[in-house]
Amino acid sequence: SQTIHQWPATLVQPVGSPLSLECTVEGTSNPNLYWYRQAAGRGLQLLFYSVGIGQISSEVPQNLSASRPQDRQFILSSKKLLLSDSGFYLCAWSRQGASNEQFFGPGTRLTVL
Amino acid sequence: AQSVTQPDIHITVSEGASLELRCNYSYGATPYLFWYVQSPGQGLQLLLKYFSGDTLVQGIKGFEAEFKRSQSSFNLRKPSVHWSDAAEYFCAVGTISGGYNKLIFGAGTRLAVHP
Repeated sequence: SQTIHQWPATLVQPVGSPLSLECTVEGTSNPNLYWYRQAAGRGLQLLFYSVGIGQISSEVPQNLSASRPQDRQFILSSKKLLLSDSGFYLCAWSRQGASNEQFFGPGTRLTVL
Repeated sequence: AQSVTQPDIHITVSEGASLELRCNYSYGATPYLFWYVQSPGQGLQLLLKYFSGDTLVQGIKGFEAEFKRSQSSFNLRKPSVHWSDAAEYFCAVGTISGGYNKLIFGAGTRLAVHP
């Protein structure tokens, strides 16, 4: 069976500090990978998606970047965090095709102070 | 443009009562539709999905949803709500964009259950 892991589970960082959130998927190969942000009381905003190693697409301009160094590893980064980067970050994976549902990780709660 | 609307931000029901959460979508082609549930501080769990065929789909935890093309709706229902159903519920439509499958989510409906 497939599993998806995210770490850390929670993170408190000062403004201007760097960020690295990691997501890994087990039990499948060549997944599509996604990073979402969920601000308090709001829905999910797609930040990045990847259809393969080294292939990253951004949905919205922002202070964040993503990388996919391995097939089942997806990393969300920032060089300098902003207060507005606070939120709940969710990683998800799916198989190819629009009919395939996305499976979500447990999320990382990021607080920027 | 594709979009998903969940008209109800908050809903409160009594335990044992029936539940219906509304979802309307805007999509030009045959939609792929999903309902997810999120407990506080957790990721999203898939409740059910509609791809084609029978318009009434059954999901986990006793939930079902009905696809109505004429109304562009995909409402989620449960005949008898349990206290453990208190959570946030998201409706989503799946689309193809740039060769990958993309989900467009509604803003969510937060469900509270009174004992």
